[in-house]
Amino acid sequence: AQSVTQPDIHITVSEGASLELRCNYSYGATPYLFWYVQSPGQGLQLLLKYFSGDTLVQGIKGFEAEFKRSQSSFNLRKPSVHWSDAAEYFCAVGGETNAGKSTFGDGTTLTVKP
Amino acid sequence: DAGVTQSPTHLIKTRGQHVTLRCSPISGHKSVSWYQQVLGQGPQFIFQYYEKEERGRGNFPDRFSARQFPNYSSELNVNALLLGDSALYLCASALPPVANEQFFGPGTRLTVL
Repeated sequence: AQSVTQPDIHITVSEGASLELRCNYSYGATPYLFWYVQSPGQGLQLLLKYFSGDTLVQGIKGFEAEFKRSQSSFNLRKPSVHWSDAAEYFCAVGGETNAGKSTFGDGTTLTVKP
Repeated sequence: DAGVTQSPTHLIKTRGQHVTLRCSPISGHKSVSWYQQVLGQGPQFIFQYYEKEERGRGNFPDRFSARQFPNYSSELNVNALLLGDSALYLCASALPPVANEQFFGPGTRLTVL
């Protein structure tokens, strides 16, 4: 069975500081990996995705993520956080045979201090 | 182009009642998935429909059902509502064959009293 673990429930960083959100996954085949952001009361917005190829993927809003197969990880990073980045972040895993179905982690809430 | 739309935005029901939630996918998208997001948790997969056929079902009781119409819009039905059904229900559409790139709607907030 596929699963996603986001070890950090809540992270607080100062504006301008760097950010790394952790994600570990379990999947029996080649994973399709995603990071989404959700603002309060809103739906999910895709930040970036990994299907294959270069293990460092760039996304929107200055985010990037690195796929490490040996560690079953797909950590999200941003070099300099802005106050508007405060939100909830979800990592998800899917697969080609599970079209339209993804398994999500329980999310990490990001607070940005001025 | 319009994104994924869902209706209603908010809904309050009492235990034992029935509810129908609606979703219109992005134009041209033929795959629709439903997710339940309980407060403090990540979305949990309920159903996926593609070309009007059920293509996947999550670990939810038979009180949950769905269908997809010829125009690819979809309904999620929940019977005999329980307090634990209170959640944000998200719909996502996708354009196969890369069906894993999903686009989410804003969700329907269901409160069961």
